[in-house]
Amino acid sequence: AAGVIQSPRHLIKEKRETATLKCYPIPRHDTVYWYQQGPGQDPQFLISFYEKMQSDKGSIPDRFSAQQFSDYHSELNMSSLELGDSALYFCASSFRGQVDSYTFGSGTRLTVV
Amino acid sequence: DQQVKQNSPSLSVQEGRISILNCDYTNSMFDYFLWYKKYPAEGPTFLISISSIKDKNEDGRFTVFLNKSAKHLSLHIVPSQPGDSAVYFCAASTNNNDMRFGAGTRLTVKP
Repeated sequence: AAGVIQSPRHLIKEKRETATLKCYPIPRHDTVYWYQQGPGQDPQFLISFYEKMQSDKGSIPDRFSAQQFSDYHSELNMSSLELGDSALYFCASSFRGQVDSYTFGSGTRLTVV
Repeated sequence: DQQVKQNSPSLSVQEGRISILNCDYTNSMFDYFLWYKKYPAEGPTFLISISSIKDKNEDGRFTVFLNKSAKHLSLHIVPSQPGDSAVYFCAASTNNNDMRFGAGTRLTVKP
């Protein structure tokens, strides 16, 4: 069965550069969530989208922005990268926000040097 | 604020014995609880869940217990197998589907 696809799997950027992470949800899933997991930390909710509209906002820095497109894929744009942005970024998708349908991608590991 | 807490970062058990992973929460509005399992280089995968109207849910070797008065839930794995070795995340949500995760517990099952 198709899963949540995240690209790239790994990304290395320098400080002050920008990065774009992509997430392709499971077919028919209309809700996308972004989480950030720093080293030794629990996953922190960043932002979510339902039917291409922002549905909830967590601890997402102002330097980050995200959107969901007509095909339901989502992109997380990160600007003015800092060393502390190095983390594993998970995307999850669900059908109409139903918690039981939550499915995570494998994550994108971002390293800022 | 950390609303979901897993105070044991790691747990080691012998194959065939019981593994008990614990989770505490502070937000009394949480009404749905989930456990996720995560292998290295993979995203978390759903394992088992429980609604706040229940105190126990069982699925094969996995059982989740919920104690609402103590704001505590636990995951029991019986019997533990080496393939169960992974990081286990506890998660809780309110009816608006806002999910909060614990920091995870790394379970090692020794053959």
